[in-house]
Parts: sequence; C-alpha cells; structure tokens
Amino acid sequence: AQSVTQPDIHITVSEGASLELRCNYSYGATPYLFWYVQSPGQGLQLLLKYFSGDTLVQGIKGFEAEFKRSQSSFNLRKPSVHWSDAAEYFCAVGANTNAGKSTFGDGTTLTVKP
Amino acid sequence: DVKVTQSSRYLVKRTGEKVFLECVQDMDHENMFWYRQDPGLGLRLIYFSYDVKMKEKGDIPEGYSVSREKKERFSLILESASTNQTSMYLCASSLVALPDTQYFGPGTRLTVL
Repeated sequence: AQSVTQPDIHITVSEGASLELRCNYSYGATPYLFWYVQSPGQGLQLLLKYFSGDTLVQGIKGFEAEFKRSQSSFNLRKPSVHWSDAAEYFCAVGANTNAGKSTFGDGTTLTVKP
Repeated sequence: DVKVTQSSRYLVKRTGEKVFLECVQDMDHENMFWYRQDPGLGLRLIYFSYDVKMKEKGDIPEGYSVSREKKERFSLILESASTNQTSMYLCASSLVALPDTQYFGPGTRLTVL
C-alpha cells in the first residue's frame, strides 16, 4: 500500500520569500502524485499533479513541484510567496492498482508574515 | 467547472441520532469519496464508490454507511451518531477509475453533542 509523509506540520515564511514544502511517498512503482491547497473554510483544490513525463511540473498560482524518484519525494515550491498563499497544503499519492483512490498526507499549514 | 455540493455547511446533532450527509456532483464523474478531516490527521477515507450502487470501504468505515442510488449523488450515513464522530466531512468526486484529480465540496462541519 502507498503512504505519504509531510514532515513539516507548520511553516512560516515572510511575504516575498521563497517556499518549499516537503512530501515523501512510499510506493513500489511510479506513483500518481498530487498537491492540493485548502484555504480556511474551503474544500481542497488541486494545485498540480504528476503522472509521468517531465519531472518538473507547473501548477496554478505560480507553484511547481519536482518528482525525484531516487529520493521518493515530490516537493512543492514557489519562488515568491504572497499573503494569499496562507493555507493548508496536502500532498497525495495514488496507485493504478488502487482504483481511483489516493492517500493524503497529514498536511502542512503555511503562515505568511507581512 | 466541476461543482461538488454538500447539503449542509454546519450540522449539530445529538448522540444516537441518525445523520445523513448528502453530496452531489454535476460532472458525470464515476468516482465519489467521503473523507473526514481532523486536525493533525489529514484526510482519512471513509468510503469510496466507483459506480452506482457500488461501494468500497476506506480506512475508517466503522460507524458509517453510504448509499449511491444515482450517479451524481453519494450519501454518508451515521446510523447512531457518537461524539467521536464530531469532525469535518469532505466529499469529493473524480472522473475515471484511476487516481486522478479529485474535486472537493466545501465540507460539512458536524458536531455531535
């Protein structure tokens, strides 16, 4: 079975600073990888996903993530954080043997300082 | 745009009551999901449905049941609500029978007194 770990429960960055949120997964074959964002009081929204091909994927709102098979990682990055990026971020992993299901990490809460 | 709606944003029920949470999606998606979200525990899958009348247990099905009589509607049922079922409940849908983008509703915050 697949699993995903987000090592950082809470991260604080200053507005305009760069951001990296970590995600490590466990799965034997090539996984399906996702990053979602949840703003306060909202459901989750997809930021980006990786299935195959180019290991650097671009998403919405200026986010990108890089799939590194050797490190079993799929870290999310943004070069310059905006105050509106304050939210909770979830990494998720799926497997093609598991129908449509994905396993979600515990989430990382991002605080943006002015 | 895909829209997933949930019948209530906030719900307060008493211990022992039967509770129905409704979810409707408008994009003819095959898969629908019910999760509960608790602080520090992320999203945990309760039940999953990949077709009408088809369901599969997730990671924490105990105390819950589901119903999918129509493709667009997926209901979560708490047969006898308990205080440990106080949580945020999120419904989601996805198009195909492979891991793909899940579209989430806004959530129902259920409090069981």
